[in-house]
Amino acid sequence: DTAVSQTPKYLVTQMGNDKSIKCEQNLGHDTMYWYKQDSKKFLKIMFSYNNKELIINETVPNRFSPKSPDKAHLNLHINSLELGDSAVYFCASSPGTTGARAEAFFGQGTRLTVV
Amino acid sequence: AQSVTQLGSHVSVSEGALVLLRCNYSSSVPPYLFWYVQYPNQGLQLLLKYTSAATLVKGINGFEAEFKKSETSFHLTKPSAHMSDAAEYFCAVSEDTNAGKSTFGDGTTLTVKP
Repeated sequence: DTAVSQTPKYLVTQMGNDKSIKCEQNLGHDTMYWYKQDSKKFLKIMFSYNNKELIINETVPNRFSPKSPDKAHLNLHINSLELGDSAVYFCASSPGTTGARAEAFFGQGTRLTVV
Repeated sequence: AQSVTQLGSHVSVSEGALVLLRCNYSSSVPPYLFWYVQYPNQGLQLLLKYTSAATLVKGINGFEAEFKKSETSFHLTKPSAHMSDAAEYFCAVSEDTNAGKSTFGDGTTLTVKP
């Protein structure tokens, strides 16, 4: 049973297109995240949602818009894709934001290639 | 402000040898510290975490790490490397219980030679 699942696993698209990546977690966690990992494997937080509410929004172009229909889902929509958006995007979740529960559970990643 | 430095972007060991991956952190408050492992084409998986309990933390797959406040270090070790340990390893620090506020190191690629 996959804990954090994201689709698609691979996404190849042309510049200027709009695309979405979906994420679902079945762990019952309250908090979900989107991370970006670049070609040098640097990992950076993009967004964090707690119970469908945006709580972290790092310096990310407004072409990126997360949407959380419920606390088990956090989708990422990207408008007007650019070459520099090529990366691996990871969805993650964590039990909450209180107590010593700060570890994240990651999905398998979506490798986005913009051509 | 928090930060983490992983010393050595690439570490190569022979199978059966000691694995030592170095991590130093900076934090203005007692931190939470983590080691994650990333196998090829997969997401990150938590190996172990320090949350102000025991300073020697044991994780999965035979890994452990020791929190040394005086050295601001949280090095990861394993007594005997297996071929299956070859992966990317990330150290992370957080001053907050929100995982999204963790700062990740640049990663260390571990290669295990037969």
